[in-house]
Amino acid sequence: NAGVTQTPKFQVLKTGQSMTLQCAQDMNHNSMYWYRQDPGMGLRLIYYSASEGTTDKGEVPNGYNVSRLNKREFSLRLESAAPSQTSVYFCASSEGIRTGSNQPQHFGDGTRLSIL
Amino acid sequence: AQRVTQPEKLLSVFKGAPVELKCNYSYSGSPELFWYVQYSRQRLQLLLRHISRESIKGFTADLNKGETSFHLKKPFAQEEDSAMYYCALSGLEWSGGSNYKLTFGKGTLLTVNP
Repeated sequence: NAGVTQTPKFQVLKTGQSMTLQCAQDMNHNSMYWYRQDPGMGLRLIYYSASEGTTDKGEVPNGYNVSRLNKREFSLRLESAAPSQTSVYFCASSEGIRTGSNQPQHFGDGTRLSIL
Repeated sequence: AQRVTQPEKLLSVFKGAPVELKCNYSYSGSPELFWYVQYSRQRLQLLLRHISRESIKGFTADLNKGETSFHLKKPFAQEEDSAMYYCALSGLEWSGGSNYKLTFGKGTLLTVNP
């Protein structure tokens, strides 16, 4: 039972390069999320997808784009990487943020991204 | 707007001592609160949620609406409790529909010394 799977686990980029972080969940969850985790800042929401076919900005969306490819997969793209985007990125999923109940989120292992 | 405050970035205790990780929140409605734990270089895991009123790994947390707090407590800390702990609040956020938004505190790094 994999839960939430993120790839890659580590990546080093040069400034200006682009890349896509992949996330997939096998729990049939409706909602998916991308966070970044920085020292002293906690977790900050980048984008989320309440349900298949919808995406919305979170707290820190600038410099990122997302695609909800299908119910299972939610990718995060950096079009032109900047050193300020060096961080640990976590994908998460939950049963649904419109179900009328507050369901907990399940997290992936994270992607450590360094931008030189 | 909803906000979660964890006033201590770092907390260090000795094995066997009681531990309390503080969490205060701000939210106008009826919140649901969670504690997540992240062991070294691992994924975040749900530790407990206030609605369950259960004890996990010896930890408990009580929602105090009067003080808007949800402090995490354990009577006797163990070395394996060393981790980063995040308090989180889930509440309704209107944005053209009705979504539940999860807001995290900045986290408290707990170190339990032998």
